[in-house]
Amino acid sequence: NAGVTQTPKFQVLKTGQSMTLQCAQDMNHEYMSWYRQDPGMGLRLIHYSVGAGITDQGEVPNGYNVSRSTTEDFPLRLLSAAPSQTSVYFCASSFTPLAAYNEQFFGPGTRLTVL
Amino acid sequence: AQTVTQSQPEMSVQEAETVTLSCTYDTSESDYYLFWYKQPPSRQMILVIRQEAYKQQNATENRFSVNFQKAAKSFSLKISDSQLGDAAMYFCAYRSGIGGGSNYKLTFGKGTLLTVNP
Repeated sequence: NAGVTQTPKFQVLKTGQSMTLQCAQDMNHEYMSWYRQDPGMGLRLIHYSVGAGITDQGEVPNGYNVSRSTTEDFPLRLLSAAPSQTSVYFCASSFTPLAAYNEQFFGPGTRLTVL
Repeated sequence: AQTVTQSQPEMSVQEAETVTLSCTYDTSESDYYLFWYKQPPSRQMILVIRQEAYKQQNATENRFSVNFQKAAKSFSLKISDSQLGDAAMYFCAYRSGIGGGSNYKLTFGKGTLLTVNP
Protein backbone atom coordinates (compact mmCIF):
# COMPACT_ATOMS: atom_id res chain seq x y z
CA ASN A 1 0.00 0.00 0.00
CA ALA A 2 1.91 3.05 -1.30
CA GLY A 3 -0.70 5.64 -0.26
CA VAL A 4 -0.59 8.82 -2.37
CA THR A 5 2.33 9.13 -4.75
CA GLN A 6 3.38 12.15 -6.77
CA THR A 7 5.90 12.53 -9.56
CA PRO A 8 8.16 14.29 -10.12
CA LYS A 9 9.46 15.55 -6.76
CA PHE A 10 11.18 18.53 -8.35
CA GLN A 11 10.74 20.25 -11.71
CA VAL A 12 12.11 23.35 -13.38
CA LEU A 13 10.24 24.78 -16.34
CA LYS A 14 10.67 27.75 -18.61
CA THR A 15 7.86 30.22 -19.06
CA GLY A 16 5.39 28.94 -21.65
CA GLN A 17 6.25 25.28 -21.31
CA SER A 18 3.59 22.75 -20.42
CA MET A 19 3.82 19.76 -18.16
CA THR A 20 1.77 17.28 -16.18
CA LEU A 21 2.14 16.56 -12.49
CA GLN A 22 1.18 13.00 -11.73
CA CYS A 23 -0.79 11.82 -8.71
CA ALA A 24 -1.88 8.29 -7.93
CA GLN A 25 -3.46 6.59 -4.93
CA ASP A 26 -4.03 2.91 -4.21
CA MET A 27 -6.60 3.25 -1.43
CA ASN A 28 -9.70 3.30 -3.67
CA HIS A 29 -10.51 6.83 -2.58
CA GLU A 30 -13.28 8.61 -4.43
CA TYR A 31 -12.16 12.12 -3.55
CA MET A 32 -8.90 13.53 -4.91
CA SER A 33 -7.65 17.08 -4.96
CA TRP A 34 -4.73 19.33 -5.80
CA TYR A 35 -3.44 22.11 -3.56
CA ARG A 36 -0.67 24.59 -4.03
CA GLN A 37 1.41 25.91 -1.16
CA ASP A 38 3.02 29.32 -1.32
CA PRO A 39 5.03 31.00 1.44
CA GLY A 40 2.75 32.74 3.93
CA MET A 41 -0.39 31.51 2.15
CA GLY A 42 -1.07 28.07 3.54
CA LEU A 43 -2.47 25.51 1.09
CA ARG A 44 -5.06 26.55 -1.47
CA LEU A 45 -7.30 24.24 -3.47
CA ILE A 46 -6.76 24.18 -7.24
CA HIS A 47 -9.10 21.43 -8.51
CA TYR A 48 -10.84 18.46 -7.04
CA SER A 49 -12.67 15.31 -8.11
CA VAL A 50 -15.33 13.25 -6.35
CA GLY A 51 -14.98 10.28 -8.66
CA ALA A 52 -13.90 9.11 -12.10
CA GLY A 53 -15.19 11.45 -14.76
CA ILE A 54 -16.14 14.19 -12.28
CA THR A 55 -13.95 17.23 -11.67
CA ASP A 56 -14.53 20.77 -10.50
CA GLN A 57 -12.64 23.96 -9.78
CA GLY A 58 -11.29 25.00 -6.45
CA GLU A 59 -10.10 28.35 -5.20
CA VAL A 60 -7.24 28.99 -7.66
CA PRO A 61 -7.93 27.02 -10.88
CA ASN A 62 -6.63 29.42 -13.53
CA GLY A 63 -3.81 28.02 -15.64
CA TYR A 64 -4.44 24.41 -14.60
CA ASN A 65 -6.44 21.53 -16.08
CA VAL A 66 -7.36 18.19 -14.57
CA SER A 67 -9.04 15.00 -15.66
CA ARG A 68 -10.04 11.84 -13.81
CA SER A 69 -10.32 8.84 -16.10
CA THR A 70 -9.68 6.28 -13.35
CA THR A 71 -10.25 6.15 -9.60
CA GLU A 72 -6.49 5.87 -9.01
CA ASP A 73 -5.07 8.75 -11.04
CA PHE A 74 -5.61 12.51 -10.97
CA PRO A 75 -3.05 14.38 -13.11
CA LEU A 76 -2.65 18.14 -12.98
CA ARG A 77 -1.71 19.87 -16.24
CA LEU A 78 -0.04 23.22 -16.53
CA LEU A 79 -0.98 24.51 -19.96
CA SER A 80 1.53 27.35 -20.34
CA ALA A 81 3.70 27.73 -17.27
CA ALA A 82 4.13 31.17 -15.72
CA PRO A 83 6.47 32.33 -12.92
CA SER A 84 3.38 32.83 -10.72
CA GLN A 85 2.93 29.06 -10.79
CA THR A 86 6.20 28.53 -8.94
CA SER A 87 4.99 26.68 -5.86
CA VAL A 88 4.85 23.37 -4.04
CA TYR A 89 1.99 21.20 -5.23
CA PHE A 90 0.25 18.61 -3.10
CA CYS A 91 -2.17 15.93 -4.12
CA ALA A 92 -4.57 14.60 -1.48
CA SER A 93 -7.21 11.88 -1.40
CA SER A 94 -9.88 10.51 0.89
CA PHE A 95 -13.07 8.51 0.93
CA THR A 96 -16.09 10.70 0.30
CA PRO A 97 -17.26 11.10 3.84
CA LEU A 98 -20.57 9.44 4.52
CA ALA A 99 -19.28 9.63 8.07
CA ALA A 100 -17.81 13.06 7.29
CA TYR A 101 -14.73 12.11 9.27
CA ASN A 102 -12.45 10.57 6.75
CA GLU A 103 -8.86 11.73 6.83
CA GLN A 104 -7.31 13.25 3.75
CA PHE A 105 -4.00 11.66 2.87
CA PHE A 106 -1.37 13.84 1.25
CA GLY A 107 1.32 12.99 -1.24
CA PRO A 108 4.94 14.09 -0.68
CA GLY A 109 4.60 17.19 -2.85
CA THR A 110 6.18 18.47 -6.06
CA ARG A 111 8.36 21.56 -5.97
CA LEU A 112 7.91 23.41 -9.25
CA THR A 113 10.01 26.36 -10.35
CA VAL A 114 9.08 28.37 -13.44
CA LEU A 115 11.83 30.58 -14.80
CA ALA B 1 -17.01 31.02 2.75
CA GLN B 2 -15.06 29.70 5.66
CA THR B 3 -11.80 31.28 6.76
CA VAL B 4 -9.07 30.06 9.10
CA THR B 5 -6.70 32.44 10.85
CA GLN B 6 -3.43 31.63 12.56
CA SER B 7 -2.21 34.81 14.16
CA GLN B 8 1.25 33.57 15.17
CA PRO B 9 3.55 33.26 12.14
CA GLU B 10 6.35 31.94 14.38
CA MET B 11 6.63 30.46 17.84
CA SER B 12 9.48 29.02 19.84
CA VAL B 13 9.61 26.73 22.84
CA GLN B 14 12.29 25.16 25.00
CA GLU B 15 12.65 21.43 24.84
CA ALA B 16 10.43 19.69 27.43
CA GLU B 17 8.22 22.74 27.91
CA THR B 18 4.66 23.38 26.75
CA VAL B 19 3.56 25.58 23.86
CA THR B 20 0.14 26.59 22.57
CA LEU B 21 -0.56 27.46 18.95
CA SER B 22 -3.62 29.58 18.22
CA CYS B 23 -6.26 29.17 15.52
CA THR B 24 -9.55 30.92 14.96
CA TYR B 25 -12.04 30.26 12.21
CA ASP B 26 -15.15 31.76 10.77
CA THR B 27 -18.12 29.72 9.58
CA SER B 28 -21.88 29.83 9.54
CA GLU B 29 -22.11 26.04 9.64
CA SER B 30 -22.88 24.08 12.78
CA ASP B 31 -21.45 20.77 11.59
CA TYR B 32 -17.76 20.74 10.74
CA TYR B 33 -14.36 19.28 11.49
CA LEU B 34 -11.13 20.91 12.57
CA PHE B 35 -7.63 19.59 12.09
CA TRP B 36 -4.05 20.35 12.94
CA TYR B 37 -1.45 19.27 10.41
CA LYS B 38 2.31 19.19 10.92
CA GLN B 39 4.68 19.85 8.05
CA PRO B 40 8.33 19.08 8.91
CA PRO B 41 11.19 20.10 6.59
CA SER B 42 10.51 16.94 4.57
CA ARG B 43 7.35 18.72 3.33
CA GLN B 44 5.10 15.78 4.15
CA MET B 45 1.72 16.81 5.58
CA ILE B 46 1.03 14.80 8.73
CA LEU B 47 -2.29 14.82 10.55
CA VAL B 48 -1.68 15.57 14.23
CA ILE B 49 -5.16 15.76 15.70
CA ARG B 50 -8.79 16.30 14.71
CA GLN B 51 -11.93 17.50 16.40
CA GLU B 52 -15.57 17.09 15.50
CA ALA B 53 -17.57 20.23 16.17
CA TYR B 54 -20.46 18.29 17.71
CA LYS B 55 -18.18 16.87 20.41
CA GLN B 56 -17.72 19.02 23.49
CA GLN B 57 -14.79 16.96 24.74
CA ASN B 58 -11.43 18.20 23.57
CA ALA B 59 -9.41 15.78 21.46
CA THR B 60 -6.08 14.47 22.73
CA GLU B 61 -3.35 12.43 21.06
CA ASN B 62 -0.48 11.64 23.39
CA ARG B 63 1.39 14.95 23.96
CA PHE B 64 -0.97 16.87 21.68
CA SER B 65 -4.29 18.26 22.82
CA VAL B 66 -6.69 20.92 21.66
CA ASN B 67 -8.77 23.57 23.36
CA PHE B 68 -11.92 23.76 21.26
CA GLN B 69 -14.16 26.70 22.03
CA LYS B 70 -17.08 26.45 19.60
CA ALA B 71 -18.84 29.65 20.60
CA ALA B 72 -15.62 31.63 20.29
CA LYS B 73 -14.67 29.74 17.10
CA SER B 74 -11.27 29.00 18.55
CA PHE B 75 -9.20 25.84 18.15
CA SER B 76 -5.78 25.97 19.78
CA LEU B 77 -3.17 23.21 19.83
CA LYS B 78 -1.18 22.47 22.98
CA ILE B 79 2.05 20.53 22.71
CA SER B 80 3.31 19.23 26.03
CA ASP B 81 6.86 18.07 26.78
CA SER B 82 8.07 19.53 23.50
CA GLN B 83 10.65 17.51 21.62
CA LEU B 84 13.15 18.51 18.96
CA GLY B 85 11.17 16.46 16.47
CA ASP B 86 8.15 18.71 17.01
CA ALA B 87 9.89 21.52 15.13
CA ALA B 88 7.80 22.09 12.01
CA MET B 89 5.22 24.27 10.35
CA TYR B 90 1.78 23.67 11.86
CA PHE B 91 -1.41 24.28 9.90
CA CYS B 92 -4.90 24.57 11.27
CA ALA B 93 -7.58 23.39 8.82
CA TYR B 94 -11.36 23.36 8.56
CA ARG B 95 -13.66 21.03 6.70
CA SER B 96 -17.40 21.21 6.35
CA GLY B 97 -19.51 18.45 7.84
CA ILE B 98 -21.97 18.77 4.99
CA GLY B 99 -21.30 16.27 2.23
CA GLY B 100 -20.94 16.94 -1.46
CA GLY B 101 -18.55 18.47 -3.94
CA SER B 102 -16.50 21.37 -2.69
CA ASN B 103 -17.48 20.70 0.93
CA TYR B 104 -14.88 17.94 1.06
CA LYS B 105 -12.08 20.47 0.73
CA LEU B 106 -9.81 21.56 3.55
CA THR B 107 -9.48 25.29 4.23
CA PHE B 108 -6.09 26.02 5.74
CA GLY B 109 -4.65 28.78 7.85
CA LYS B 110 -1.33 30.31 6.82
CA GLY B 111 0.64 28.29 9.30
CA THR B 112 2.77 28.74 12.42
CA LEU B 113 6.46 27.87 12.28
CA LEU B 114 7.44 26.20 15.55
CA THR B 115 11.08 26.17 16.65
CA VAL B 116 12.15 23.90 19.51
CA ASN B 117 15.27 25.04 21.32
CA PRO B 118 17.47 22.44 23.05
